[in-house]
Amino acid sequence: GNSVTQMEGPVTLSEEAFLTINCTYTATGYPSLFWYVQYPGEGLQLLLKATKADDKGSNKGFEATYRKETTSFHLEKGSVQVSDSAVYFCALIAFGNEKLTFGTGTRLTIIP
Amino acid sequence: EAEVAQSPRYKITEKSQAVAFWCDPISGHATLYWYRQILGQGPELLVQFQDESVVDDSQLPKDRFSAERLKGVDSTLKIQPAELGDSAMYLCASSLGRREAVNTEAFFGQGTRLTVV
Repeated sequence: GNSVTQMEGPVTLSEEAFLTINCTYTATGYPSLFWYVQYPGEGLQLLLKATKADDKGSNKGFEATYRKETTSFHLEKGSVQVSDSAVYFCALIAFGNEKLTFGTGTRLTIIP
Repeated sequence: EAEVAQSPRYKITEKSQAVAFWCDPISGHATLYWYRQILGQGPELLVQFQDESVVDDSQLPKDRFSAERLKGVDSTLKIQPAELGDSAMYLCASSLGRREAVNTEAFFGQGTRLTVV
């Protein structure tokens, strides 16, 4: 079956530090890949996505590249802000059955 | 902007009582998901609909949980009887869900936070 493995948290960084949150996946076929963000007490919001190999998704300074050869979709940001503190979820949808599978989430805390 | 609507936002119920949650997906979205998210964990899929049909309910505790999407639009998730361990956030999401669609991202509602006392 499909699965997503995420870097374990929590992750604590200072403001303006470089961020990487690792994500690898197992899926049949060619899934679409997503990063969702969840702020305290809220639902999930789509942060970025990529639908085919070598695609780069980007939004709000975050980036992730769909790497088929390493089955990875690592999230990066060059300079984090306090407002980026949240829980980040890597996810995939397997084309054909539309099943959305999540990783366990990584809690990110940015300190001023 | 179109969004997934859920109600209620918060619900407190006593154990052994019945509770129901409602979700209205984005118009035209064929796929609807119900997830349960326990505090500090990732969302766990309970049930997935394609139009009015269930395509995956393998993780739904069917002795107490039920879900329906009778007309293929809005959906209701019910728990009867509620147990203390059911306290969690219940998230509804929808996606375009057509086989020919490539960008089938899922859009989430704000969730219903359930507390069973």
